[in-house]
Amino acid sequence: KAGVTQTPRYLIKTRGQQVTLSCSPISGHRSVSWYQQTPGQGLQFLFEYFSETQRNKGNFPGRFSGRQFSNSRSEMNVSTLELGDSALYLCASRSVAYQETQYFGPGTRLLVL
Amino acid sequence: GDSVTQMEGPVTLSEEAFLTINCTYTATGYPSLFWYVQYPGEGLQLLLKATKADDKGSNKGFEATYRKETTSFHLEKGSVQVSDSAVYFCALSDMDSNYQLIWGAGTKLIIKP
Repeated sequence: KAGVTQTPRYLIKTRGQQVTLSCSPISGHRSVSWYQQTPGQGLQFLFEYFSETQRNKGNFPGRFSGRQFSNSRSEMNVSTLELGDSALYLCASRSVAYQETQYFGPGTRLLVL
Repeated sequence: GDSVTQMEGPVTLSEEAFLTINCTYTATGYPSLFWYVQYPGEGLQLLLKATKADDKGSNKGFEATYRKETTSFHLEKGSVQVSDSAVYFCALSDMDSNYQLIWGAGTKLIIKP
C-alpha cells in the first residue's frame, strides 16, 4: 500500500500571499489530520477531517483552513501568510479500524519571506 | 488533561552503545502509546506502538514496554548505529480525546562513530 503523500514538498512564499497544500491519505483511510512543526513550538495540531467534515480543530487563527474531498484527499490553505507560518506541515491519516494509529507523510516545508 | 514527558536531549552516544530514552505519561483513560522517529529533513515515521498494559512494541531493534504501574514507555535499543541519529517522539492517543495524538517534546539522538 502506498503511504501518505504530500505535495509540494517545498514551497517559498512571501508575506501576504496565500498557499494551498495537498495530502493524499493511505488508501482506505478516511481521516486526515494536519500538524504544524516548528523548532520553537514543536508539533501542533491544526485540524482533522473525516468523511469531508472537520471533526477536530486546534488553536490556530482562521487564516488556517482545510477541506477534504470525497476521495479523502485533503487540502489546507493558509491565507495572508506571516513570517511565523514558516514551518514543516505534516499530514497524517488513520483508518476507522485502527483509529489510535496515525501514519504521517513526508511533510511540506514552507518558507515565508 | 493527558500529557507526555520525555527526557530532554540531545542524547549523544557512541556506536554500539545501549540506548534508553525515557518517556512517562499521564492519562485519564487507557491510552495507546507510540514512538515516532524523524530523520533529518523528513516527516514522522511510526517506529513502534503498544495498545495495552504489558504489551511490548518492537521494530528495527528498538523496543518499548507499556508499563501501566509506572505510567512509562521507555525506548531501548541494545546497540545503536550512526543511522539511528534522529529525533524520537513519544506520544499517546486516547479514545477520550478522540484519538488525537498528545506529543512529548522530542529527544534528539546523536550517534558518533
